[in-house]
Amino acid sequence: QLVDSGGDLVQPGGSLRLSCAASGFTFSDFAMSWVRQVPGKGLEWVSGISAGGGSTYHADSVKGRFTISRDNSKGTLFLQMNSLRAEDTAVYYCAKVRRDWYYFDDWGQGTLVTVSS
Amino acid sequence: EIVLTQSPATLSLSPGERATLSCRASQSISNSLAWYQQRPGQAPRLLIYEASNRASGIPARFSGSGSGTDFTLTISSLEPEDFAIYYCQHRFNWPLTFGGGTKVEIK
Repeated sequence: QLVDSGGDLVQPGGSLRLSCAASGFTFSDFAMSWVRQVPGKGLEWVSGISAGGGSTYHADSVKGRFTISRDNSKGTLFLQMNSLRAEDTAVYYCAKVRRDWYYFDDWGQGTLVTVSS
Repeated sequence: EIVLTQSPATLSLSPGERATLSCRASQSISNSLAWYQQRPGQAPRLLIYEASNRASGIPARFSGSGSGTDFTLTISSLEPEDFAIYYCQHRFNWPLTFGGGTKVEIK
C-alpha cells in the first residue's frame, strides 16, 4: 500500500515536500517514481529513484527544481518541490516500479498540489 | 523524447462489444510498452506490460499486441467496469512518457 501526503495550496515561487508511506512490501527492493496529473488531463512522469537511492531521474519540466529522495529505513518516498509554478498544479501520485521492467504496478491515492496566488 | 499518440481520443461502445485501442510511438521502442486503466477518481492500474503480458489479477478479456511503433490494446467483450480512460506508457529510455489517453464511454 502507498499513501501519498503533503499536497497543499502554495504561492508561485514557493516550496512543498510530498511524502509517500509504503507498506506491505520490502520498500528497499524497489525503484519508485512520482507521476502527476493535471485534473481532467493525462499522466506525466515526473521523477524516479533507484531502489538504493543512488540514481535519480527527472523530467525536463522539473529538472533543477524538484528532488526525489527516499528513506529506506522508514519506507518513505519524498518529492521536494522548489520554485513552484502554476503549471505544477496537479495531483501527484507515488508509484512502485515493477522488479523486472520500469512499469508502475502500484500507485498511491494521489495528493493535490495547487500553485496559485 | 518519445511521443506516444493514442487513438481514437474517445471510443463509444456498448457493453459486450469489442474495443480496440491504438498507441503509436514516434520511434521504435521494441516491446517496451505498458497499458493502464484509470477509472474516475481513482489512480491508474497496470493492465499490460511489455506489450502483451497481463499484469497480476487482470482478466483475460484484456490483451495487448504490437512491437516497434504500433501497439494495440483489445478488450474482447466490454464489461460495465471497463468504461474508463486507458493510457499507454513506454520504458524505452528517459524520460518515460505516457500517451494522451483513450476514453472508452458507454454508447
